[in-house]
Amino acid sequence: DIVLTQSPALAVSLGQRATISCKTNQNVDYYGNSYMHWYQQKPGQQPKLLIYLASNLASGIPARFSGRGSGTDFTLTIDPVEADDTATYYCQQSRNLPPTFGGGTKLELK
Amino acid sequence: EVQLVESGGGLVQPGRSLKLSCAASGFTFSNYYMAWVRQAPKKGLEWVATISTSGSRTYYPDSVKGRFTISRDNAKSSLYLQMNSLKSEDTATYYCARHRGIGTTSFDYWGQGVMVTVSS
Repeated sequence: DIVLTQSPALAVSLGQRATISCKTNQNVDYYGNSYMHWYQQKPGQQPKLLIYLASNLASGIPARFSGRGSGTDFTLTIDPVEADDTATYYCQQSRNLPPTFGGGTKLELK
Repeated sequence: EVQLVESGGGLVQPGRSLKLSCAASGFTFSNYYMAWVRQAPKKGLEWVATISTSGSRTYYPDSVKGRFTISRDNAKSSLYLQMNSLKSEDTATYYCARHRGIGTTSFDYWGQGVMVTVSS
């Protein structure tokens, strides 16, 4: 299985930039696409898709969210951070079965 | 508006069975791969099963293979998860999710989840 590693927590100030990283133990690129996706989950709620295929904004997601990366290193950036962005963020790969998730990064405000 | 509504959760003893259902609306259900993803209390996300548009292909991780069965009824826009030989480690919130596009891709819509507790 492909293992995804995220830092457990990140604290940023309102209006600043948050950069959340996700590293995989295998390349998740295939035929020009990076099979990496990002989700936001607030307490007591279901996950919400933010970014698909590494850099594509999902429907209805504000442009403050962006994703980049390839191969084994990926980042989700939130700029500027708003109070409503406090949540846990998960990366997920779909390059190989089984689809696997990172452990999540909890974003908190300073 | 896409809606996924799970039902069928509850408290069940180890070794027993439970069947979850997911009612889908707001999109053409038969055009999408569908999945179940679970989340143990205070833990991360774990994919549980995926089914193809027609139901002819199913996929499972080793942790549930042989115990869980995913199925669908396209005429009723419904997804199911039959869980047998339940273990305490199956305790989790189970989410019904739609795959974005064909195949086991990202999950673009999720239900609100249903809790399954396996305990004696």
